[in-house]
Amino acid sequence: GAGVSQTPSNKVTEKGKYVELRCDPISGHTALYWYRQSLGQGPEFLIYFQGTGAADDSGLPNDRFFAVRPEGSVSTLKIQRTERGDSAVYLCASSLISGEQETQYFGPGTRLLVL
Amino acid sequence: AQKITQTQPGMFVQEKEAVTLDCTYDTSDPSYGLFWYKQPSSGEMIFLIYQGSYDQQNATEGRYSLNFQKARKSANLVISASQLGDSAMYFCAMRVVSSYGKLTFGQGTILTVHP
Repeated sequence: GAGVSQTPSNKVTEKGKYVELRCDPISGHTALYWYRQSLGQGPEFLIYFQGTGAADDSGLPNDRFFAVRPEGSVSTLKIQRTERGDSAVYLCASSLISGEQETQYFGPGTRLLVL
Repeated sequence: AQKITQTQPGMFVQEKEAVTLDCTYDTSDPSYGLFWYKQPSSGEMIFLIYQGSYDQQNATEGRYSLNFQKARKSANLVISASQLGDSAMYFCAMRVVSSYGKLTFGQGTILTVHP
């Protein structure tokens, strides 16, 4: 079956602009996660959705970042007033349910470059 | 808080040989899961293997096995019969019951397989 998909695959924007990154999880997966990966680092957690609600948004770095998942499937990560430090790969993952045994399956990521 | 430490920035192995990638972890939660992911140069995170904290036996998945030493808080990945396609970045990660959503990742180890 289809895996996690993310669009766009690459995004170049200018400092101060608004961007939206989309994630389409594996069909039937109720849990969805966003991570950010800077160059040479491991991914860092941003936010976790169980269904439509954000169950844990403790990883969002500041109020310029927010994410939605209005129908419990597709999610959009929104970044306002982008800064050069926001440049990174944004990874989305989904799992069937949430639990310490549940495997998260990752999408290919969106590479964001803020000039 | 949870922490994953991967002390080997880079490892080299000859094709067909076995290699061990080190991972130590720190958590006060008694229930947790440990994961290994592979990230090729294409960027996608590929799930390799999972070990639960209460599992009595070490996990195995084909050429991958996890050497789980709970008392030492280590979860090393062993790849047997290395192949050229194994060249990639490898991440160790952990989830705990108290924070169902997030995976905490280590810094990663770059594995290079020589012919």
